[in-house]
Order: sequence, then structure tokens, then C-alpha cells
Amino acid sequence: AQSVAQPEDQVNVAEGNPLTVKCTYSVSGNPYLFWYVQYPNRGLQFLLKYITGDNLVKGSYGFEAEFNKSQTSFHLKKPSALVSDSALYFCAVMNYGGATNKLIFGTGTLLAVQP
Amino acid sequence: DARVTQTPRHKVTEMGQEVTMRCQPILGHNTVFWYRQTMMQGLELLAYFRNRAPLDDSGMPKDRFSAEMPDATLATLKIQPSEPRDSAVYFCASGLGLGRAGKGQGTQYFGPGTRLLVL
Repeated sequence: AQSVAQPEDQVNVAEGNPLTVKCTYSVSGNPYLFWYVQYPNRGLQFLLKYITGDNLVKGSYGFEAEFNKSQTSFHLKKPSALVSDSALYFCAVMNYGGATNKLIFGTGTLLAVQP
Repeated sequence: DARVTQTPRHKVTEMGQEVTMRCQPILGHNTVFWYRQTMMQGLELLAYFRNRAPLDDSGMPKDRFSAEMPDATLATLKIQPSEPRDSAVYFCASGLGLGRAGKGQGTQYFGPGTRLLVL
């Protein structure tokens, strides 16, 4: 069975500092991995995804994520946090080659960036 | 800038009433998903369509919920009768299935949601 774990309910970081939002996954085949962001009272917005190739994926708003197959992780990172990055972040996995196109979402991590 | 649209954005109704939520997927997308988001349960997948055919509605309470795609430009989610526990934000998402070539394959694009309150 596929699953995604986001071990931190909330991450606090000061503006200008680097941020990391953690995600680990479990999937039987090759994973497609995604990060989405949700701002208050909005829908989820696609940030970036890993399909194949370079393990470091760059996405929107200066975010990037590193695929680590041995650790089954896909942590989201940004070198310098902005107050406007404060939002709810979801990691998701899709089983490439599976019978469906369903995304399995994690429970979300609330990122709070203090000025 | 193509985007998923949902109507209504907000709905307040009384218990027992029928609620219909509508979604217009991005033109050309062949997969449509309905999700429900609550504080307690987080994000739950309710139903999933590919090429307008329902593939998975295992997350949906069958006795009161129904989802359809009358055509490629419209997906509907209906609750009849509604109950207070149905109060949530309902999201529709569309995408290109993995069987379709293109950079966007697999990615789901979400609408703004319908915020439902059942009194």
C-alpha cells in the first residue's frame, strides 16, 4: 500500500533562514512525488514534482525538493524563508505504473515564518 | 491562464436539503477528482473519473453522495440528504492521466473549493 508521512505538524522558522519540510513515502513501484501548498481559504497549488532524472527538483517560488531513494524521502527546502511562505504544505505520492492516477496525500505541515 | 472553476464558492443549507456542487475542469484534462477537507480528517479523496467514467468512489458515502460527469466540461457532486457532518470544504481537481504524454501528466490542479455548512 502507498503512504506518505509528514512527521511535523508545524515548522517554525525565522524570515531569511533556510527551511525544510519533511516527507517520507512508501510505495511498491516507482514513485511520482509531489509538493502542494495551500494558503488560507484557497485550493491546493502545485509546487513541484519528481518523476525521474535529477534528484534535485526546482519548483515555484524558489522552492526545491530532493528525492532520496535510499531514505525514501522527498524533503521540501528553500534557502531563505519569506513571511509570505507561511501556509500549509502537502506532500503526495503516486505509484507510477499503477492502475490509477490517484495521489496519496500526507496530513500536511503548517509552515510559520516569523518576521 | 487555465484553471479549475467551482460553484458555488460558499453554501449554507439546512439538514435534509439537497446540495449540488459543480466543477469545470481545465479544458483537455481527462481526469477529475473530488476531495473533501476537514480539520479532523484532513484531505480525503471522494471520487475519481477518467475520460468521464467513474473509476473509484470508494471514499464516498454511497447512501447520500453521488458524483457524475454529464460531459467533459462539467463534474457534479451531490449530497442528498445533507447532514451537519458533511460540513467541509469540497475541492475538485483535474489533470492529465499518466497515460497521456506531456509535462503535466500526473499533476492535479485544484479549484478554489466549495465551503459547505449544513445547519
